[in-house]
Amino acid sequence: NAGVMQNPRHLVRRRGQEARLRCSPMKGHSHVYWYRQLPEEGLKFMVYLQKENIIDESGMPKERFSAEFPKEGPSILRIQQVVRGDSAAYFCASSQVGGQELFFGEGSRLTVL
Amino acid sequence: GENVEQHPSTLSVQEGDSAVIKCTYSDSASNYFPWYKQELGKRPQLIIDIRSNVGEKKDQRIAVTLNKTAKHFSLHITETQPEDSAVYFCAAAGNQFYFGTGTSLTVIP
Repeated sequence: NAGVMQNPRHLVRRRGQEARLRCSPMKGHSHVYWYRQLPEEGLKFMVYLQKENIIDESGMPKERFSAEFPKEGPSILRIQQVVRGDSAAYFCASSQVGGQELFFGEGSRLTVL
Repeated sequence: GENVEQHPSTLSVQEGDSAVIKCTYSDSASNYFPWYKQELGKRPQLIIDIRSNVGEKKDQRIAVTLNKTAKHFSLHITETQPEDSAVYFCAAAGNQFYFGTGTSLTVIP
């Protein structure tokens, strides 16, 4: 049973470009969470999704950021017109049931030049 | 929403000593309290968890206690080893996960 898979593991973008981060949850998991982590800081909640539904996006910046979890395929976190402050590690996590036993992927490290 | 506070932010102990990390939460609806260990450059990994109907749980050198009345829970690591050095995060969950700000633990050989 593969764990939570994230790709790309490392992504470099120039200011103004778009970044797309993908997350495939563990098999049988239908709840996906995205977190952002700056160096030597904590896990900042961004968004919580179930298949085809955004349950809680209270941690998402109002502009440039969006997330989806389609019926088929991975969850995607999309950052438009990236700025240097977007540079961070973005972790995806999944659970079988909301609020229970969360498993993290290896993270996607975004660097904005 | 939930507010999880974690203390201390940094902790240094001598190898073989015990380490204790404490968290408080605010939402009575939270019923699941996991602890994660994150080594440098790696993903957070679940090390132990406790549910609201249990007061204490132990797994080898690691134990977690929960006081629902006071809304606080703690991680205890006994006989610490250098490989325990990492950042530890607590979390409180109802339908949603709320993480503490992390404790950087250093075990000095």
